[in-house]
Amino acid sequence: QKEVEQDPGPLSVPEGAIVSLNCTYSNSAFQYFMWYRQYSRKGPELLMYTYSSGNKEDGRFTAQVDKSSKYISLFIRDSQPSDSATYLCAIERTDKLIFGTGTRLQVFP
Amino acid sequence: NAGVTQTPKFRVLKTGQSMTLLCAQDMNHEYMYWYRQDPGMGLRLIHYSVGEGTTAKGEVPDGYNVSRLKKQNFLLGLESAAPSQTSVYFCASSQVKGRELKTDTQYFGPGTRLTVL
Repeated sequence: QKEVEQDPGPLSVPEGAIVSLNCTYSNSAFQYFMWYRQYSRKGPELLMYTYSSGNKEDGRFTAQVDKSSKYISLFIRDSQPSDSATYLCAIERTDKLIFGTGTRLQVFP
Repeated sequence: NAGVTQTPKFRVLKTGQSMTLLCAQDMNHEYMYWYRQDPGMGLRLIHYSVGEGTTAKGEVPDGYNVSRLKKQNFLLGLESAAPSQTSVYFCASSQVKGRELKTDTQYFGPGTRLTVL
């Protein structure tokens, strides 16, 4: 079983839609969870991180962790064409990050 | 600050050739990483370093070697390139975690696209 699983998509939504991106993980000991965004032909950049369970909001983005289900989510409200990118979840394990495979999101006007 | 830079941006090799990818960071970070990214496989850690003069194996180290002679540089070497090493290679760096820095935020370079024929 992979430590982090992520649906690769692609996910195609109209502008203004609410987007939900999800990952599952296997080890309940993980505590730090991150979302990276990667535009085409660019390196990933940190979007948000959360610690343990709960929600964290930053503008149109909300990261959510459900430790009981080992499920992490990223919600994007009022999605924009500029949000079109690949979103990678990541989990910290002993000074290293374990990445999901990434979900490709396309927001069309 | 330039952040994390990688050279070259593109390279085509023939099977059996060797090459070195250079990563440089100007953020005085202790930790540096080399990843490869392949379709459907996500980012996989090749090697990493927790400080100058140190290196360690990641998830997929076979066929690669690394060196960290200077804190700001991390080199990835392919001694005898194989078609299976065709990939996009990313370097990243991060600071040592302390009381105020609770997460391993990694800063990535722009990537090197390598094709091995």
